[in-house]
Amino acid sequence: EADIYQTPRYLVIGTGKKITLECSQTMGHDKMYWYQQDPGMELHLIHYSYGVNSTEKGDLSSESTVSRIRTEHFPLTLESARPSHTSQYLCASSEYGGYTFGSGTRLTVV
Amino acid sequence: EDQVTQSPEALRLQEGESSSLNCSYTVSGLRGLFWYRQDPGKGPEFLFTLYSAGEEKEKERLKATLTKKESFLHITAPKPEDSATYLCAVSNDYKLSFGAGTTVTVRA
Repeated sequence: EADIYQTPRYLVIGTGKKITLECSQTMGHDKMYWYQQDPGMELHLIHYSYGVNSTEKGDLSSESTVSRIRTEHFPLTLESARPSHTSQYLCASSEYGGYTFGSGTRLTVV
Repeated sequence: EDQVTQSPEALRLQEGESSSLNCSYTVSGLRGLFWYRQDPGKGPEFLFTLYSAGEEKEKERLKATLTKKESFLHITAPKPEDSATYLCAVSNDYKLSFGAGTTVTVRA
């Protein structure tokens, strides 16, 4: 049973559109993360949050933005999607070192 | 900068043929070494966390070990349902740094 939920699972969208990827967790974890993963490649951290009103950029430069208004919710927004944004986006939360991942959103920008 | 290197990239096994996956790492201030399993189109699923050299953990046909420079994931008598990509990651103060993974295919 998943404790961290990502929607949508799959998204195909045209260039220039604004999109928001949703991530919610029911475990009460303070720390949440967004990773980006291309096929056959390692996960790269693009954003993280240590709690409400806390957001930081990760190691991989990303044109996306995030917000953390509620503990359980950590949405990621792309203001203007481009084909280079095509990838899998994985959300995770953690407490005391244990990371739980969502099922991911596979984004295709055409 | 933290680095995680996994080998081999791909491993094809016959059912029952035991093998090992390697994860070499360099990290400043290791807070833990993690093993995850990832099935196609899904998020990583947690398997083990190891914290100190000499530590070992087991779960069904999987056993993870840790030294100061590398970790091994041993798969004993694998079954087709063990086919997946196995990811290694190291934790420092604020994030997990992942390797590219080893894709294991077990044939019946």
